[in-house]
Amino acid sequence: NAGVTQTPKFQVLKTGQSMTLQCAQDMNHEYMSWYRQDPGMGLRLIHYSVGAGITDQGEVPNGYNVSRSTTEDFPLRLLSAAPSQTSVYFCASSYSSGLYGYTFGSGTRLTVV
Amino acid sequence: DQQVKQNSPSLSVQEGRISILNCDYTNSMFDYFLWYKKYPAEGPTFLISISSIKDKNEDGRFTVFLNKSAKHLSLHIVPSQPGDSAVYFCAASGRSGSRLTFGEGTQLTVNP
Repeated sequence: NAGVTQTPKFQVLKTGQSMTLQCAQDMNHEYMSWYRQDPGMGLRLIHYSVGAGITDQGEVPNGYNVSRSTTEDFPLRLLSAAPSQTSVYFCASSYSSGLYGYTFGSGTRLTVV
Repeated sequence: DQQVKQNSPSLSVQEGRISILNCDYTNSMFDYFLWYKKYPAEGPTFLISISSIKDKNEDGRFTVFLNKSAKHLSLHIVPSQPGDSAVYFCAASGRSGSRLTFGEGTQLTVNP
């Protein structure tokens, strides 16, 4: 039981490049989310999904795309990387209930130069 | 606007004493409140939660208190241990639990 797996763990991009952050979970969770963590700002929700084929925007969606074709996978695409997207990105998954909380991956540290 | 706020960036306590971490929120539609712990270079770990219909939930050394009229929740850790040193985030969600809104976090340091 691997939980939530994020790849890669580290990435350096040049401004304007695109890339996909991968996220997979093996717990059959319906809910999945992407967050970014920046100093002094906590975790901010980028996009989330309540099931395969269903996605919605969070607080800071600009510059990011998501899709959810399977229950297990929820990739995050950066369309044209900008220095403001330098951050630590966390993927998380959860049962469809507010009481059990989300299980987080170990994060991807992204630097855009 | 910051719907969930943790006003103390840091807290330092002695081992064995009580740690009290505080959190305020503005959205009266929140139904669930959660606390997460985060060590460096790791993802946040779910610690404890409480429903808006309750005012207290306890799990071992950890107790969460909810004061709906004041829109305030707190996490009590008794007794505090050096291994509790981490960043603690409070979070809140609506009835479905699909969207979590986090506070800024409080760095707890427990000194031996």
